[in-house]
Amino acid sequence: QSVLTQPPSVSGAPGQRVTISCTGSSSNIGAGYDVHWYQQLPGTAPKLLIYDNNNRPSGVPDRFSGSKSGTSASLAITGLQAEDEADYYCQSFDSSLSGSIFGGGTKLTVL
Amino acid sequence: EVQLVQSGTEVKKPGESLKISCKSSGYSFTYYWIGWVRQMPGKGLEWMGIIYPSDSDTRYSPSFQGQVTISADKSISTAYLQWSSLKASDTAMYYCARQRGSRTANFDYWGQGALVTVSS
Repeated sequence: QSVLTQPPSVSGAPGQRVTISCTGSSSNIGAGYDVHWYQQLPGTAPKLLIYDNNNRPSGVPDRFSGSKSGTSASLAITGLQAEDEADYYCQSFDSSLSGSIFGGGTKLTVL
Repeated sequence: EVQLVQSGTEVKKPGESLKISCKSSGYSFTYYWIGWVRQMPGKGLEWMGIIYPSDSDTRYSPSFQGQVTISADKSISTAYLQWSSLKASDTAMYYCARQRGSRTANFDYWGQGALVTVSS
């Protein structure tokens, strides 16, 4: 059971918008620690998608965006494409564990 | 270009020892935290621990403390993850990743992963 809670799966049709939530607590997201998001395509290593809540690394399309409020964060994907089908993970820092934590992951299916 | 290149697939028996590696290039290895992340078959990412090569400051997840050892050799820009006695439950993909900045930061570059299979 992960310290950060994500929905196991989300789905959407091509062109639609989907959001993935990441719910934490007062010892991690709620304590002000940044949230980062990763995309893991099948059979590959995770790739940084969003860092520091709402920043995109060079090369990541602006269809991907992040936000954070209180003890939660969200990843939004607009203009859904078939190539977006992957697992998505949030990550933050937890002061009680004194280390990084990952969400359980969300599988995005493009219908 | 920043690269993290991990050692290859390992097949071991329960009780055996193992040390896998992660060689970094393209940046100053000494001054970035390097982390290890486990992914069991069909499961999510789990943070195992990190090391700061400059002074070998090492932090472990409570779930992995005492189960593995993380180390680094600055002279060859390589981080290691080792087990003294493997269990079947150690079967997983293991990733190393560079942590950008502080211990609370994101992992901006990842190795390709090392698959470890432990079976009698």
